Amino acid sequence: EVDLAESGGGLVQPWGSLRLSCAASGFTFSDYAMSWVRQAPGKGLEWVSAISGSGGSTYYADSVKGRVIISRENSKNTLSLHMNSLRAEDTAVYYCASGDSSGWYGPFQHWGQGTLVTVSS
Amino acid sequence: DIVLTQSPGTLSLSPGESATLSCRASQSVTSRYLAWYQRKPGRAPRLLIYGVSSRATGIPDRFSGSGSGTDFTLTISRLEPEDFAVYYCQQYGSSPWLFGQGTKVEIK
Repeated sequence: EVDLAESGGGLVQPWGSLRLSCAASGFTFSDYAMSWVRQAPGKGLEWVSAISGSGGSTYYADSVKGRVIISRENSKNTLSLHMNSLRAEDTAVYYCASGDSSGWYGPFQHWGQGTLVTVSS
Repeated sequence: DIVLTQSPGTLSLSPGESATLSCRASQSVTSRYLAWYQRKPGRAPRLLIYGVSSRATGIPDRFSGSGSGTDFTLTISRLEPEDFAVYYCQQYGSSPWLFGQGTKVEIK
């Protein structure tokens, strides 16, 4: 059974940094592109970043470009999101999601339960 | 970027009725890479439909998707109590993999 478990969220001050992790199990992690998606309070789903199965290709939403880095360690079945220069508008629940079994980035077949990031002084 | 606009914003219906949700793209969606997700409070989003009209594993057949090019529809026939939720469309043909703003299906 596929399982995605996010961790690393918490309260951080504006301009601070945070690293989110997603532990994957139940599938061949390196075969799947992965993404981070967030949902701010009262808002809709927002795609944040994606990475190919090999880790060689990465993509970012304009809202986070230059401030976050997505990475993965296939030997440990782990996906990460390093976030810097955090702003109040980055406050959200962050989800990791797996792509398609073909290796393409979507659709987002499986989702974790999310980790809450709160940016506040 | 392919921007998705969903309508209506809110749909008020009774159990047993049918729901028709619309998703319009700012340009043609690549290779029919259009998906629908269900979002309930406190739960992770769930993939319902991919490739415009294919149901994901375990999704009941009262959920159906249709459309092409820039206009897409999610239909929920015979609404069950557990179907009242927010629904999002998403194009996944090219980056950025944007979502629509969502349609809330609420109990009338």
